[in-house]
Amino acid sequence: ETGVTQSPTHLIKTRGQQVTLRCSSQSGHNTVSWYQQALGQGPQFIFQYYREEENGRGNFPPRFSGLQFPNYSSELNVNALELDDSALYLCASSLGSLEQYFGPGTRLTVT
Amino acid sequence: GQNIDQPTEMTATEGAIVQINCTYQTSGFNGLFWYQQHAGEAPTFLSYNVLDGLEEKGRFSSFLSRSKGYSYLLLKELQMKDSASYLCAVRAPGGGYNKLIFGAGTRLAVHP
Repeated sequence: ETGVTQSPTHLIKTRGQQVTLRCSSQSGHNTVSWYQQALGQGPQFIFQYYREEENGRGNFPPRFSGLQFPNYSSELNVNALELDDSALYLCASSLGSLEQYFGPGTRLTVT
Repeated sequence: GQNIDQPTEMTATEGAIVQINCTYQTSGFNGLFWYQQHAGEAPTFLSYNVLDGLEEKGRFSSFLSRSKGYSYLLLKELQMKDSASYLCAVRAPGGGYNKLIFGAGTRLAVHP
């Protein structure tokens, strides 16, 4: 059974640029949730995708968007990057609303 | 509003027992999770409580009281590798989906 994988591991971007982060869900899981974790804080819910549709969103602006593909992998896109977007971005997959399994995360630094 | 509180830091001695408390106030409740997170790594699942009472899993136990909005994680026979952050998270319903609301985490340092 393959676990949740994310790419890239680390990324450095400049303020104003756009970034795409990728997540492959665990085999058999149809739901992907994305979280932002700032240093020293707990993860904050960004949004969730179920069967290719966004079915829930946290308090993040529209420049945070996403996609889920037929194989249930997912992308997180962030436009017009700001310094405060620097964080660890975590993807978690689950089968519906059951337990979420986290990927290793992507560390994004915005300069 | 959504609020989850847990102590910021705790220290303990190898071989000892430590209890990490978590209180929550959320609009809706579909279970409480504890995750362990080592620095720079992903959170890993430790325990899940949806009914009141104690769930035991090896050296780790978790307790839930829904009426008090309270949970604790109990770690026994502490080992150096238990030094990590421990995250309390409530699964809250909202519009046909479930999301996890996390506390800020408790950094546990285990000393020899």
